[in-house]
Amino acid sequence: SAVISQKPSRDICQRGTSLTIQCQVDSQVTMMFWYRQQPGQSLTLIATANQGSEATYESGFVIDKFPISRPNLTFSTLTVSNMSPEDSSIYLCSVESRGQSYEQYFGPGTRLTVT
Amino acid sequence: AQKVTQAQTEISVVEKEDVTLDCVYETRDTTYYLFWYKQPPSGELVFLIRRNSFDEQNEISGRYSWNFQKSTSSFNFTITASQVVDSAVYFCALGKGDKLIFGTGTRLQVFP
Repeated sequence: SAVISQKPSRDICQRGTSLTIQCQVDSQVTMMFWYRQQPGQSLTLIATANQGSEATYESGFVIDKFPISRPNLTFSTLTVSNMSPEDSSIYLCSVESRGQSYEQYFGPGTRLTVT
Repeated sequence: AQKVTQAQTEISVVEKEDVTLDCVYETRDTTYYLFWYKQPPSGELVFLIRRNSFDEQNEISGRYSWNFQKSTSSFNFTITASQVVDSAVYFCALGKGDKLIFGTGTRLQVFP
């Protein structure tokens, strides 16, 4: 399985500001995914990020609010823009394991609190 | 529409008891994948198992076992002789292509 790291691990931010979350993988992967887990809730896919192309967003998520970059095969960033308290969540990146199609492995998550 | 239902919100057991976590899914696809993940209090999501829709064989891994029944659209997870370290939230997920749809999770508390 891939080893995935995320920065920051947690942050407390003021409303109206933006936070960029980084996701680093120890091997090259084609697809990276960003999920949101609101307090006490399940995980919801925000978008899929392929290297060299625009991210594909799920219903209810827009690029202006959650811009994503994918500059190479081991790295991606998710920005949470113009934050409000409703954005307080755990944000997780995941990758599809090479050689094990459809097995997704997750990073440790970024716990965001917006005050 | 695709959906995963984990009807058990929270389960409490005493150590060494067996416990089964239920998962029921809905999909119109004939090819799909089912997953179980564990989320301990530390928050990371730990991959436990993947099963594809064509493989209905049950699987056992140590104290863990999974029962996939296509006829009832269920993919249940049993922990035998539970331990305190099994305390976590367990998520069942349905995958088609790259997208995973998660259930709402079952919080398992194992008391000593």
